[in-house]
Amino acid sequence: ETGVTQSPTHLIKTRGQQVTLRCSSQSGHNTVSWYQQALGQGPQFIFQYYREEENGRGNFPPRFSGLQFPNYSSELNVNALELDDSALYLCASSFLPNQPQHFGDGTRLSIL
Amino acid sequence: SQQGEEDPQALSIQEGENATMNCSYKTSINNLQWYRQNSGRGLVHLILIRSNEREKHSGRLRVTLDTSKKSSSLLITASRAADTASYFCATDGLDTGFQKLVFGTGTRLLVSP
Repeated sequence: ETGVTQSPTHLIKTRGQQVTLRCSSQSGHNTVSWYQQALGQGPQFIFQYYREEENGRGNFPPRFSGLQFPNYSSELNVNALELDDSALYLCASSFLPNQPQHFGDGTRLSIL
Repeated sequence: SQQGEEDPQALSIQEGENATMNCSYKTSINNLQWYRQNSGRGLVHLILIRSNEREKHSGRLRVTLDTSKKSSSLLITASRAADTASYFCATDGLDTGFQKLVFGTGTRLLVSP
């Protein structure tokens, strides 16, 4: 039990739609990172937020955006969904950016 | 793109045997971590080894790091059926100011009773 919860667990969308995924971190964890994990692959870093500011970004287009709130919750928003966006989306939190991360169980997003 | 490459991609052993997984990476790193992922679940942090360390132990886990070869190995001794999972190495690079973890493609371990 990592104390990181994600919702929803599963989601089905169609191409072109928009989606918001949510994450609730452990209390006190000021850092949250989001990853995309395609089937059979390792997770790929999307971006990280530290104290509500974006603290770094991977090779994902601007239609992937995020928010972090003072209550240790955060969101991943994806606009104009594409078929290749089908994946498991994981959030991970830590107290500081350079500490081991605690992962939630992810949201499985399917794009039809 | 993935930086780490795990080897083998899949490993099948009997309970009680040892399991060894290898990871290679491409750039200089601060730390290397190993994570476990049970099917359909999130990742669980197993162990972190810093770039100035060569070996680290945690319970039945032993990790080695060879920065000259840009490689690491994870040894699980006396394996159990509950160890069945995918194992990933993850690195964070010297050129980033934050812990941007770069994961490999993973090793799928099956431990049969």
